[in-house]
Amino acid sequence: EPEVTQTPSHQVTQMGQEVILRCVPISNHLYFYWYRQILGQKVEFLVSFYNNEISEKSEIFDDQFSVERPDGSNFTLKIRSTKLEDSAMYFCASSEDLLAGGWNEQFFGPGTRLTVL
Amino acid sequence: AQKVTQAQTEISVVEKEDVTLDCVYETRDTTYYLFWYKQPPSGELVFLIRRNSFDEQNEISGRYSWNFQKSTSSFNFTITASQVVDSAVYFCALSEGGGGSEKLVFGKGMKLTVNP
Repeated sequence: EPEVTQTPSHQVTQMGQEVILRCVPISNHLYFYWYRQILGQKVEFLVSFYNNEISEKSEIFDDQFSVERPDGSNFTLKIRSTKLEDSAMYFCASSEDLLAGGWNEQFFGPGTRLTVL
Repeated sequence: AQKVTQAQTEISVVEKEDVTLDCVYETRDTTYYLFWYKQPPSGELVFLIRRNSFDEQNEISGRYSWNFQKSTSSFNFTITASQVVDSAVYFCALSEGGGGSEKLVFGKGMKLTVNP
């Protein structure tokens, strides 16, 4: 069964460093998402991406964040200069093309736990 | 604006008890989707169910059942005869349909502990 994969499973970094979280969405999917979950809190939407551009982003997704689909298979989230409060689980998700007036299931990856020291 | 409220933060039950997880949502759209996800201690998000706003029929899947009531903007989830393996955090989520990025808006989650 196809699945979304994410690497690494756990990333530890120093404050101020850049990190890149990687995701491989399901191969025929066209919509890609990043969500964040600070420990013990709810899952929060960060950004959605379609046709090589951002469809929507949340207030959390400020200039420190960027997303990219560099090679047609990977989908990356970059945090330029990490802060302590960026410590969280980051989930990637993907879905097929959206049905008009409908909704396609978002398949979630297992997450990358980012720890900023 | 979309909003999901899970008023209960934590529930502890003894195995075989029934437990209901409450979810109340807010949306201005007439087309929307409601979801429940399970997050076990291992951390992944496990999809449980999706309902669309035009289908208020309740659903049962094994020990799980869902009660969707538009009149009260609620989408409650009941686990019958709970088991230790049901111990997890459960999230209710909402997505407004009809185009766009279809982001999911999650509630704060409810931690269920089932004791043997």
